[in-house]
Amino acid sequence: DAGVIQSPRHEVTEMGQEVTLRCKPISGHDYLFWYRQTMMRGLELLIYFNNNVPIDDSGMPEDRFSAKMPNASFSTLKIQPSEPRDSAVYFCASSLVGGMSGELFFGEGSRLTVL
Amino acid sequence: TQLLEQSPQFLSIQEGENLTVYCNSSSVFSSLQWYRQEPGEGPVLLVTVVTGGEVKKLKRLTFQFGDARKDSSLHITAAQPGDTGLYLCAGGDNQGGKLIFGQGTELSVKP
Repeated sequence: DAGVIQSPRHEVTEMGQEVTLRCKPISGHDYLFWYRQTMMRGLELLIYFNNNVPIDDSGMPEDRFSAKMPNASFSTLKIQPSEPRDSAVYFCASSLVGGMSGELFFGEGSRLTVL
Repeated sequence: TQLLEQSPQFLSIQEGENLTVYCNSSSVFSSLQWYRQEPGEGPVLLVTVVTGGEVKKLKRLTFQFGDARKDSSLHITAAQPGDTGLYLCAGGDNQGGKLIFGQGTELSVKP
């Protein structure tokens, strides 16, 4: 079975440009998570969805970040406008039962570099 | 806010040595998970512990959940170069479905 699929794997863009990261969760998983990983701050939860509904977006840094999940098989994380401090690896993960006791399955990540 | 602190942050040892990684919090967690991440990949689950005092073994890896469910440890016996990677502990949020991660321990095992 296919795991969590993220695209693009790598993106280099200039400050001020719009960035869209995409994620296809594992079929049948009701939870979808977006994390950001940096050396300084580790793995930070940005937002998570349950049954396509955003449940907790308290980790979203600011209004420049937005996430959507229009259906059970697709989610996007958009940054507009992007800034150099947004450079990080962004991970999408899905889970059958959520974080309290369920395993999170991670994609391979999208490495974003903002110049 | 629930936080998880891991120690040490970095660990470099020789093949065959033993090591312990710690994960501590001031909060009680309903469960704790340990993940391992290799460069260029996402974290992969190693184990989940849910009961205070629980001990789980996975080959040369031993995981323990504290009695008060505020801390956990990972012990590796006779480390091998293949154990090299980033080890992350993660706690299940008591009020929802989110998973909070510690900063991680970067382990390097030299042959």
